[in-house]
Amino acid sequence: TQLLEQSPQFLSIQEGENLTVYCNSSSVFSSLQWYRQEPGEGPVLLVTVVTGGEVKKLKRLTFQFGDARKDSSLHITAAQPGDTGLYLCAGTPGNQFYFGTGTSLTVIP
Amino acid sequence: DTEVTQTPKHLVMGMTNKKSLKCEQHMGHRAMYWYKQKAKKPPELMFVYSYEKLSINESVPSRFSPECPNSSLLNLHLHALQPEDSALYLCASSQALRREVSYEQYFGPGTRLTVT
Repeated sequence: TQLLEQSPQFLSIQEGENLTVYCNSSSVFSSLQWYRQEPGEGPVLLVTVVTGGEVKKLKRLTFQFGDARKDSSLHITAAQPGDTGLYLCAGTPGNQFYFGTGTSLTVIP
Repeated sequence: DTEVTQTPKHLVMGMTNKKSLKCEQHMGHRAMYWYKQKAKKPPELMFVYSYEKLSINESVPSRFSPECPNSSLLNLHLHALQPEDSALYLCASSQALRREVSYEQYFGPGTRLTVT
């Protein structure tokens, strides 16, 4: 059983469409992070959410932390081919850092 | 400077070879990590060093041997690997390692390892 479950696992959409990726857990996190990883590269940190109910925006990306700090979502508006990659949520509910199960996004031109 | 560097970028080795992966950061971070990643899967934690001491070993086979010579460097020594060990090996660093506090990790580009 994975501590952080992401859905969907795979997503293939047309350029210009909107999408949402979910990250869910039964554990409470002091904070959650979102990373994007392009093929052949290491993950790159996009954002950290700390406060329950917090919403952060990064250009066309909107991140939300659940009120109970057990879940998070990433919404992308008007997806572009450059958004293609593996999206990972991550956090530390205890003494160890956990990655989510990952969402592989492909944006078709 | 928020860069973590890793060398080599690609490595092909036979099952009887001995090789080493290297990782370096100059951000003053005191926690460094090794991860193994298969295609389109999340990284799997292997080892964590905190203040140059091994803090976490995720039951990794002894054919993988980590070393932290100083606070900026992290090595992963490889010996007698198996073909299933072929993967992307990622190094990361963070400000520190502390219970209940999720420090942001900065990743290197990885070493693509192929075991023949």
